[in-house]
Order: sequence, then structure tokens, then C-alpha cells
Amino acid sequence: EVQLVETGGDLIQPGGSLRLSCAASGFTVSTAYMSWVRQAPGKGLEWVSVIYSGGGTYYADSVKGRFTISRDNSKNSLYLQMNSLRAEDTALYYCARDRDGYNKYDFWGQGTLVTVSS
Amino acid sequence: DIVMTQSPDSLAVSLGERATINCKSSQSVLHSSNNQNYLTWYQQKPGQPPKLLIYWASTRESGVPDRFSGSGSGTDFTFTISSLQAEDVAVYYCQQYYSFPITFGQGTRLEIK
Repeated sequence: EVQLVETGGDLIQPGGSLRLSCAASGFTVSTAYMSWVRQAPGKGLEWVSVIYSGGGTYYADSVKGRFTISRDNSKNSLYLQMNSLRAEDTALYYCARDRDGYNKYDFWGQGTLVTVSS
Repeated sequence: DIVMTQSPDSLAVSLGERATINCKSSQSVLHSSNNQNYLTWYQQKPGQPPKLLIYWASTRESGVPDRFSGSGSGTDFTFTISSLQAEDVAVYYCQQYYSFPITFGQGTRLEIK
């Protein structure tokens, strides 16, 4: 059974850093296409970043240069390093699996909440 | 960026009746290489992550009831629930995966009348 469990969300001050983790089971992260999608409180969905099985990465302009997506194949996990955090980064962050590289997401975690506030 | 615009923002439908949601993209999401529309529909219930319902604009995900369907091509798409059930109360999103950045519609809240 496919499962994704995100951790690492916290209350953090503007300008701070945070690393989110997504532990996967039921499939191999190294051969999958994995994304982060966020949802601000009461708002819609916003795509953040993707890492392809070959290692290629893409980012939304709103996070480019501040966020870094990565994975650890030995831990079967996905990460999102978030630096220079802003209030507008406050959201529930989901990791999501894309089974075939087309950026349509067939499995999602429950999300981890990041709150950026002083 | 491709802007996805859904209509209406909210919708109230009686149980057993048809619910229809529209999604318009600011540019075509029909890829000439495979003649596929790079569009999905998701359902998000309160406190839950989104669930993939439809991809390639009209292909139902495995396990999704056949009362859910999608249609359209190019820039105009429709999502239909043929006979609304109580468990269909949710927010529905369209998403294009034609090009980066991946973008979603603003969501349509579906309620029971």
C-alpha cells in the first residue's frame, strides 16, 4: 500500500529555515516523480516543486532560489529545504506522487503545517 | 503561466441531480505529440488531501465511481457528477500539467441544496 507521511512543519520566524520530510512506503522514491504542493489556510492548491526520477528539478517562481527539493534513496524519503521563509509561505505542505512523470498526482500525504510568523 | 479559471466558485445541487463544473485554461493544454489534454480533476474533502479523479481530461482514475466524468478539449473543460451523492460534498480543482509551472484552478465548492 502506498503511503506518504510528511513531517517537519513548525512555527518559524520570517527569514528562518525549515526542512520538511516525506517518508514513502509501498513504492520506491528513486524511481518515482515526486512533488510538493502547498495550500494556504482556507485557500487553493499551489504547486511548489518537482523532482524527477532522473534527478531533474523544477520550482515555482515564488520559491525559486529559496527552496530546494531533494531525496534520499536509502531512506526512501523526499525533502524540501526551505530558506528565507516569508509570511506568504504559510501553508499546509503536501508531498505527492506522480506515477508516470506527467505531473498528475495519484497519491498525497496528509500534509505538514508551516506557519511563518513573528 | 497557464491560468486556470473555474466556474462557478460554489455550487449547490440536490441529491440525485447533476452537478457541472467548468474549467477554462488561458492557453490550450492539448499536446500535439499525443493528442491528449493535459488536465486533471481532483476532489478535496474537508481535512483531507486532494484525490485524483480524472486525468487526460476524461480518463477516470481506477476505483473512481462512474458518476464522475470529464470532457472538453483545448481550453474548455467540464467536470460532471451525474447523480450527486451526499459523500460528493467537497471542493473540486482542475489542474493543468501541460507546462511548468503546474497550475490549479481556484476550486469549486460543491454543496447539497
